[in-house]
Amino acid sequence: NAGVMQNPRHLVRRRGQEARLRCSPMKGHSHVYWYRQLPEEGLKFMVYLQKENIIDESGMPKERFSAEFPKEGPSILRIQQVVRGDSAAYFCASSPRDRIAKNIQYFGAGTRLSVL
Amino acid sequence: AQTVTQSQPEMSVQEAETVTLSCTYDTSENNYYLFWYKQPPSRQMILVIRQEAYKQQNATENRFSVNFQKAAKSFSLKISDSQLGDTAMYFCAFMKHDSGNTPLVFGKGTRLSVIA
Repeated sequence: NAGVMQNPRHLVRRRGQEARLRCSPMKGHSHVYWYRQLPEEGLKFMVYLQKENIIDESGMPKERFSAEFPKEGPSILRIQQVVRGDSAAYFCASSPRDRIAKNIQYFGAGTRLSVL
Repeated sequence: AQTVTQSQPEMSVQEAETVTLSCTYDTSENNYYLFWYKQPPSRQMILVIRQEAYKQQNATENRFSVNFQKAAKSFSLKISDSQLGDTAMYFCAFMKHDSGNTPLVFGKGTRLSVIA
């Protein structure tokens, strides 16, 4: 059973460009979370999605950031018109629908975004 | 809102010795989960151990054990027989117990170095 897959591992963008980060959850998992990690900091929650639904986006910046988890395909975190302050590691986690196991989140290896 | 505090930015331990990492949290919730995650240089977030707040018995996983003090809102991690592969950032995390899935709240981490 493959783990949570994130790509790309590293992404370099110039200011003003768009960044698209992809996350494929573990097989059988229907819940996806996105977190951001700034240098020397812990992970901060951004958004929680189920298939075709945003459940909680309380951690998402109000502008330029969006997320989706379509019926088919990976979850996408999209950052428009990137700025230097967006440089960070972005982690995706997934959890199953199972009532007992759903409190365990399994993480991908992250995408490191560098904005020049 | 919940907060998680890790007061030790860095620690070191000799190989084969025991080390304890501190974590305190603040919450008004009565039911919740606590976690320790390990982040080695590869950046992958790896679940080390999980504690359910309604269980008084401290969780253990091989060389890893916790000291959970609910009244004091303290959740320390003890690593016995430290190995070089334990060198990593360690993050303490909190999750509300809810009917649905809820996001993790992380501390800022403790960088642990195991010295040969």
